[in-house]
Amino acid sequence: RKEVEQDPGPFNVPEGATVAFNCTYSNSASQSFFWYRQDCRKEPKLLMSVYSSGNEDGRFTAQLNRASQYISLLIRDSKLSDSATYLCVVNSDAGKSTFGDGTTLTVKP
Amino acid sequence: DTGVSQNPRHKITKRGQNVTFRCDPISEHNRLYWYRQTLGQGPEFLTYFQNEAQLEKSRLLSDRFSAERPKGSFSTLEIQRTEQGDSAMYLCASSLGPGLSNEQFFGPGTRLTVL
Repeated sequence: RKEVEQDPGPFNVPEGATVAFNCTYSNSASQSFFWYRQDCRKEPKLLMSVYSSGNEDGRFTAQLNRASQYISLLIRDSKLSDSATYLCVVNSDAGKSTFGDGTTLTVKP
Repeated sequence: DTGVSQNPRHKITKRGQNVTFRCDPISEHNRLYWYRQTLGQGPEFLTYFQNEAQLEKSRLLSDRFSAERPKGSFSTLEIQRTEQGDSAMYLCASSLGPGLSNEQFFGPGTRLTVL
């Protein structure tokens, strides 16, 4: 079993749709959590950190459930430009980062 | 450009040859990470440095791989006796560190093809 697991998708949604991605992690000692975005043939870039209380950045909402070892990302009012692969990242207390294999989103007009 | 840079961007080599990649992090960043990524997979952790100290190395990494960061600035990743399975994108990232919440900034990667 991988340390960080994501539904690979692909998720194909129309513009304006709401879409949710899930991620589970196996190391209960994990300390910090992130969502990164990776466009085709590009390097990953930070989308948002994930806090225990949940956090929102515009159309994006991230949630963390430590008891269930589960992280989610919600995208509202999807735009064509949201098409990308979304990577769930979990950091250990030693600072090592473990990436999931990503969930691919395609937003269609 | 003050971002993370990596050289070369592409490398084609024959099986059995040694290759070395370079990463120049953002200048004030203390932490530097190396990852490997293949198609359809997320970046796989290889190793990371806090200044010049190598703090952790993946158990998945064979003895053919070695990384250095001699002066706490740029880093090199060497692969000896390359194999076809080493073909991948090698990504470098840096962060301010050592705080756990620090964002990692990635370079454009070095794409290795082993023939």
